This record gives sequence, C-alpha cells and structure tokens, in this order.
Amino acid sequence: EDKVVQSPLSLVVHEGDTVTLNCSYEVTNFRSLLWYKQEKKAPTFLFMLTSSGIEKKSGRLSSILDKKELSSILNITATQTGDSAIYLCAVEAGNNRKLIWGLGTSLAVNP
Amino acid sequence: SQTIHQWPATLVQPVGSPLSLECTVEGTSNPNLYWYRQAAGRGLQLLFYSVGIGQISSEVPQNLSASRPQDRQFILSSKKLLLSDSGFYLCAWSVRSFWGTNEKLFFGSGTQLSVL
Repeated sequence: EDKVVQSPLSLVVHEGDTVTLNCSYEVTNFRSLLWYKQEKKAPTFLFMLTSSGIEKKSGRLSSILDKKELSSILNITATQTGDSAIYLCAVEAGNNRKLIWGLGTSLAVNP
Repeated sequence: SQTIHQWPATLVQPVGSPLSLECTVEGTSNPNLYWYRQAAGRGLQLLFYSVGIGQISSEVPQNLSASRPQDRQFILSSKKLLLSDSGFYLCAWSVRSFWGTNEKLFFGSGTQLSVL
C-alpha cells in the first residue's frame, strides 16, 4: 500500500532557529513530491519536486528530493512566528497520478 | 487570476439532516476539481474528484456524494448526515499540464462541519 510518512509530527522552536522537516514515501511509480503550508484553513503550495538532488528555494525555505532514499526534506532558516503552520507533504504516484498525503508536521515558532 | 470560493465556512447540522457544500472556481476553464476531508490529527483524505462536467470519481465508499453541474462548480452532498461526517472539508482545483502530469492544487478556505 502506498504511504507517505512525515516526521516529526510536531515541533516547537524559537525564532531564529533553523528547522528540517522530513517526508519519506513508499509508492508505486513515483511521479512528484509536493510540499504545502497550512496556516489556518487552506493549504498553500510551496514546492514541487520531481528530480533528485535539485534544490528548490523560496526565500528562507528550501527543499530537496532524494529518490535513492525515497525522501525529501524541507528546510526553514531563521524561522519567524509567521512560519508557524502545519507543513504537508504529498506524493503523486501511480498510473492514475493519485496524491498520497502525509499527516503533516505541526511547527510552532515562539518569539 | 484564478480564485476558488467555498461556502459556508462553518456549519453545524443535526444527525440525519441533509448537507450541501458548494465550491466554485473563477478565472480558469476545464479545471480538475476535488473534495477532501481533513479529520483532526489526520492527513487529507480524497473523497471525490472530477475531470469534467458530470464526471465524478469516488475514492472511498461513504455517506456522501458529489456532483458537477457546471464546468467550474462542484457540490458535496449528503441525504442524511452521520456523526462520523464531522470534519474539515476542503475543495481544490488543478490544471493538467501539457505533459499530462498534475499541476499543484489550489485549495478553498474550507468548511468546518460539526454533526451533532
């Protein structure tokens, strides 16, 4: 059965810290891996990764895919309170290109 | 620019009552449309998706149904709500790229449904 596992499930840090969130997967016919940020209600898109070893960056956030290890990490440097959110990982897989979602990592950044 | 509207934001309904949640997308044509449910402490569960008018695929057997009467309108319904239908419901849309892979999903702001 296809699955996506995120770790840790929750994390509390102080402003200015750097955090690394993990997403590992076991799926058939991997196509892409996506990261979303869910602050209050609607998840918003962060990154889509398809190629191993190529880092995607957006400001203080970056992500990289390791197809050998079947995993991805999301890095946030110099965290701010506005980074507090649930970070969701999803993997697109299979011939029907279904999205399989992880449970998310709840990040709290304290001032 | 594209926008997605989902309503209502919150809903409290008694067990056994009907349900209708509506979602509309503006600024794009022929979108793929999705209904997800997010229970507390769980990830997103895909309920239904649609690639065109009248075309609905159900991912899990349940007490709910979906309809797509117009290209950019997606409705989630139930004839009789159960306690287990409580949760956070999200509508989303995506556009298929030229290469046939899914583009990213754009989500509505969600409906918090409480069945009492």
